[in-house]
Amino acid sequence: EAQVTQNPRYLITVTGKKLTVTCSQNMNHEYMSWYRQDPGLGLRQIYYSMNVEVTDKGDVPEGYKVSRKEKRNFPLILESPSPNQTSLYFCASSPGTVVSYEQYFGPGTRLTVT
Amino acid sequence: GQNIDQPTEMTATEGAIVQINCTYQTSGFNGLFWYQQHAGEAPTFLSYNVLDGLEEKGRFSSFLSRSKGYSYLLLKELQMKDSASYLCAVKRTGANNLFFGTGTRLTVIP
Repeated sequence: EAQVTQNPRYLITVTGKKLTVTCSQNMNHEYMSWYRQDPGLGLRQIYYSMNVEVTDKGDVPEGYKVSRKEKRNFPLILESPSPNQTSLYFCASSPGTVVSYEQYFGPGTRLTVT
Repeated sequence: GQNIDQPTEMTATEGAIVQINCTYQTSGFNGLFWYQQHAGEAPTFLSYNVLDGLEEKGRFSSFLSRSKGYSYLLLKELQMKDSASYLCAVKRTGANNLFFGTGTRLTVIP
C-alpha cells in the first residue's frame, strides 16, 4: 500500500531534550516536506527536500533541522525543543522534484513540549 | 507578501449545496489547491486549478479567477461525512512549496 508513515504518532517531552520524528514514504517520491499545524494558523511549511541531499527552508524553519540521506526517509530533528514547538506535525511527499498538485500526507505526530 | 482568506466556519444541511470561498494575494501565482481534512487526520487532496474556470470532480467542483484572486469549492448533495475542514493553498511562481490558508470548518447537519 502506498503511504507516508510517521513515528511516533504522539510524543510528550521536556524542554531541551533532543528528539527526532521519522518520516518514510514507499512511493519513490523525490519531493518531501514537513509542516506544522496550529489552531488559527493553518499548515505552515518547515523544511522541504527536492531530492537526496537537497533540502531548503520553508516558512518556519527556526528550531528545526532535517536531513535527506535516502530518498524514502526525511527525519525532522528538534535539537532543543521548546514549548512553542508544541504542535501537530505532518510529513508529506510528492512525485517529481517540485511540489506537485497532489501531496500525500502522513498521519501526523502530535508533539507536546513541557 | 502573501495572504489567504477563508471563512472560519460554515454550517450546511445534508443534501444541500455549499460554496466555500477563498481569496488570495500573492506575488506570482502558479496554482490553487483545495484539501480536505477530517478532525485529527491528515489532509487529502481534492482539486487543483491553474487556469481560470471550473473544474468538476463528482460532487466537488472548484473555480478559479486569477484576475480577482478568488477561488471557491462547491460541494453538492452534502453528506454527513463531508463535515471537515477545507484548506485552500496557493503555489507561487518560482517557489517550491505551498502556502496554506487557515481552513474552513464545515459542519453538515441533518
